[in-house]
Amino acid sequence: QVQLVESGGGVIQPGRSLRLSCAASGFVFSNYGMHWVRQAPGKGLEWVAVIWYDESNKYYADSVKGRFTISRDNSRDTLYLQMSSLTAEDTAVYYCVREIPSGGYFDYWGQGTLVTVSS
Amino acid sequence: QSALTQPASVSGSPGQSITISCTGTSSDVGGYKYVSWYQQHPGKAPKLMIYEVRNRPSGVSYRFSGSKSGNTASLTISGLQAEDEADYYCSSYTSSSTWVFGGGTKVTVL
Repeated sequence: QVQLVESGGGVIQPGRSLRLSCAASGFVFSNYGMHWVRQAPGKGLEWVAVIWYDESNKYYADSVKGRFTISRDNSRDTLYLQMSSLTAEDTAVYYCVREIPSGGYFDYWGQGTLVTVSS
Repeated sequence: QSALTQPASVSGSPGQSITISCTGTSSDVGGYKYVSWYQQHPGKAPKLMIYEVRNRPSGVSYRFSGSKSGNTASLTISGLQAEDEADYYCSSYTSSSTWVFGGGTKVTVL
């Protein structure tokens, strides 16, 4: 069965960097575009970034552009999100999400990893 | 990248039908078939309910249906049940090759 397991969250000071990972299993990872979606405590969902199945394209939300970098290692079936210059506004649960090819929608979500930016 | 507009809350009695709207622009909802809806119960990850405006994934109840007119998409839940009480989010692909979510709608079953 499809599984997406995020890791790397925790408490981090403002201005510091953090890398999230998402281990994928149960499907051919290299065939799917992958996304990060976040949810601040008590707030709604916010799309963060996408990386195409072959890493040929990456797109970001304006709120993280220039600070976050999405990447993947298809040999390790793993998705990453490198986050830098973190602020309190980045505090959220970060979900790793699979996109159906050419479907524009998200069929599997991880359980999420909480990132708390606080001094 | 402004969020799509959803009502903050919608309520209904068991057995009734409710509709949640999701308003965007011609650069997102109005311009693409890639509108989807997600259900989220407290403390859980979102679950896909509708994709490509009106399609239901396998396993999702027939009571959930989607539609779109112009820049506004809608999710209708018919025969409302207690288990439908949750937050619902719409999402759309955009002309910038990004995605955008709605602000979310809390559905309450009276």
